[in-house]
Amino acid sequence: AQKVTQAQTEISVVEKEDVTLDCVYETRDTTYYLFWYKQPPSGELVFLIRRNSFDEQNEISGRYSWNFQKSTSSFNFTITASQVVDSAVYFCALSEDGLVEYGNKLVFGAGTILRVKS
Amino acid sequence: ETGVTQTPRHLVMGMTNKKSLKCEQHLGHNAMYWYKQSAKKPLELMFVYNFKEQTENNSVPSRFSPECPNSSHLFLHLHTLQPEDSALYLCASSQGVGGAAPEEQFFGPGTRLTVL
Repeated sequence: AQKVTQAQTEISVVEKEDVTLDCVYETRDTTYYLFWYKQPPSGELVFLIRRNSFDEQNEISGRYSWNFQKSTSSFNFTITASQVVDSAVYFCALSEDGLVEYGNKLVFGAGTILRVKS
Repeated sequence: ETGVTQTPRHLVMGMTNKKSLKCEQHLGHNAMYWYKQSAKKPLELMFVYNFKEQTENNSVPSRFSPECPNSSHLFLHLHTLQPEDSALYLCASSQGVGGAAPEEQFFGPGTRLTVL
């Protein structure tokens, strides 16, 4: 069965600090996809990144970077020089490969609340 | 309107009431989803519709009844709910076209439901 664990329930940092959000996953599939979503106070989840299991290259997008390590089944997310606007709940999610005709099912972690203080 | 909209944003209902949640997507997508987000559990997928056909019912109690009249609209009809059903109900959509790679889902802001 698939499972996503975000062990950090809540993290508080001061603006400009770097922060890493951990994500560990379990799956029996060899092909799978990992996602990160951000949920600001307004409620809607905002897509940040999708990574497939064959692409272990780290990715950087502005202040955001992701470290995918298959050997430890982890897909961690780092925010560099955090800002108050980064305050949100961050979810890691896993989807197995499959026919999109059936819609894709995402299994979410419990989320990490990030509070960035000025 | 753009993206995914949900109405109402807040709903309070008694256990004997019947109400409906509405979701509309303006993205031309073919797949739509209902999720439940409660305080003590991870986001739970409830239902998936693709091209108006229900392709997933994640063991949801029958007091939740989805309806998808077209690819742009999704409803969740509620009746005889329990207080433990109080949660944020999120709607999402995705392209839903052929292929094996799961797609990005676009989420609405949710309906905050309180069952008294």
